[in-house]
Amino acid sequence: DTGVSQDPRHKITKRGQNVTFRCDPISEHNRLYWYRQTLGQGPEFLTYFQNEAQLEKSRLLSDRFSAERPKGSFSTLEIQRTEQGDSAMYLCASSPPGGNQPQHFGDGTRLSIL
Amino acid sequence: EDKVVQSPLSLVVHEGDTVTLNCSYEVTNFRSLLWYKQEKKAPTFLFMLTSSGIEKKSGRLSSILDKKELFSILNITATQTGDSAVYLCAEFTQGGSEKLVFGKGTKLTVNP
Repeated sequence: DTGVSQDPRHKITKRGQNVTFRCDPISEHNRLYWYRQTLGQGPEFLTYFQNEAQLEKSRLLSDRFSAERPKGSFSTLEIQRTEQGDSAMYLCASSPPGGNQPQHFGDGTRLSIL
Repeated sequence: EDKVVQSPLSLVVHEGDTVTLNCSYEVTNFRSLLWYKQEKKAPTFLFMLTSSGIEKKSGRLSSILDKKELFSILNITATQTGDSAVYLCAEFTQGGSEKLVFGKGTKLTVNP
């Protein structure tokens, strides 16, 4: 069990640029989640995949955000035309098949918008 | 909308003390409540509670759920400096959704 892996660990970019983050889940986990966490808050749900299908999206996921999981393994989260308010920690989690299972988190990608 | 409230938001204790962290929730259809520990990086899974009154235990940590009063507690006995972290409570929302709804967390600081 190598754990959930996220890349990059940190990303600093100028407002208006596009950024893409990658998440590799635990190998036998078919469910993958993206959350966003800001200082002093708990993680907030963004979106959820079961295999390659995106089954849930939060209202927080504006049209500037897009997530993919093309082969049901790794996932990418892209933010277009970044804004100051996008600065946050972006966390990925995965869980095994079957509902109501604990989600296991990666170390996150910290995004800073200049 | 489902809601999770944790208290206190922060707590400072001395090594050896026992602490109790609280989590209350409002949900439409309860499924499970989870506790996580977050140091500087990834939230680490601690417990998942589904049934009322059954204590889950791991070393010095234990947790219990009260589905009638809609709360859970996390106890840490004989605290150590390594217990310093943010403890997050989360619950699964209504049936059909796999998202976790988190509270703001309790920041625990254990001083030597």
